[in-house]
Amino acid sequence: GDSVTQTEGLVTLTEGLPVMLNCTYQTAYSTFLFWYVQHLNEAPKLLLKSSTDNKRTEHQGFHATLHKSSSSFHLQKSSAQLSDSALYYCAPMPNYNVLYFGSGTKLTVEP
Amino acid sequence: EAAVTQSPRNKVTVTGGNVTLSCRQTNSHNYMYWYRQDTGHGLRLIHYSYGAGNLQIGDVPDGYKATRTTQEDFFLLLELASPSQTSLYFCASSDRDSKNTLYFGAGTRLSVL
Repeated sequence: GDSVTQTEGLVTLTEGLPVMLNCTYQTAYSTFLFWYVQHLNEAPKLLLKSSTDNKRTEHQGFHATLHKSSSSFHLQKSSAQLSDSALYYCAPMPNYNVLYFGSGTKLTVEP
Repeated sequence: EAAVTQSPRNKVTVTGGNVTLSCRQTNSHNYMYWYRQDTGHGLRLIHYSYGAGNLQIGDVPDGYKATRTTQEDFFLLLELASPSQTSLYFCASSDRDSKNTLYFGAGTRLSVL
């Protein structure tokens, strides 16, 4: 919804190139920030999360840093792999246990 | 690993039909959620609950009812289904012990003809 804005639509990359998916959110939604990943025909699952300002969080080769000053939580990876092709959701959690997902960014990694 | 089971996995009904989607979690989580997923809209929260007998309204509740009968079971009811409710529905559960991480079921694909 309006609480979060992601890189829109479809991102296509060549294998080996860096990945950056943008996420900005409304300030009121900054308690926790999450990235979820959904591979084709699977359910979404947690990729990484943060609640600490200016601290880098890493998981499975991806990383993100929560910057409350700019209301951003961009997802990055140094080198894309074919298996990274998926739908990625940024999701802020303003209150405990209620997540509001962005519209999602579909990442396609080509050989 | 947390377990969330949805049934049925696929459902076809007609306009005006009555549909119930079921979700059971065996993680002793307090929170349960129903989301719908549509291309261009992402995951949108329909209803959620923080315990048996509790119901909270999400972002897109119109046309949906929900009921949490036990800590494990959360149902989504479409009493007069419409084609606009054709979607992929996900159930999820979480609580503070899971560090606010949502665990999703496999999804129910609903088609309203």
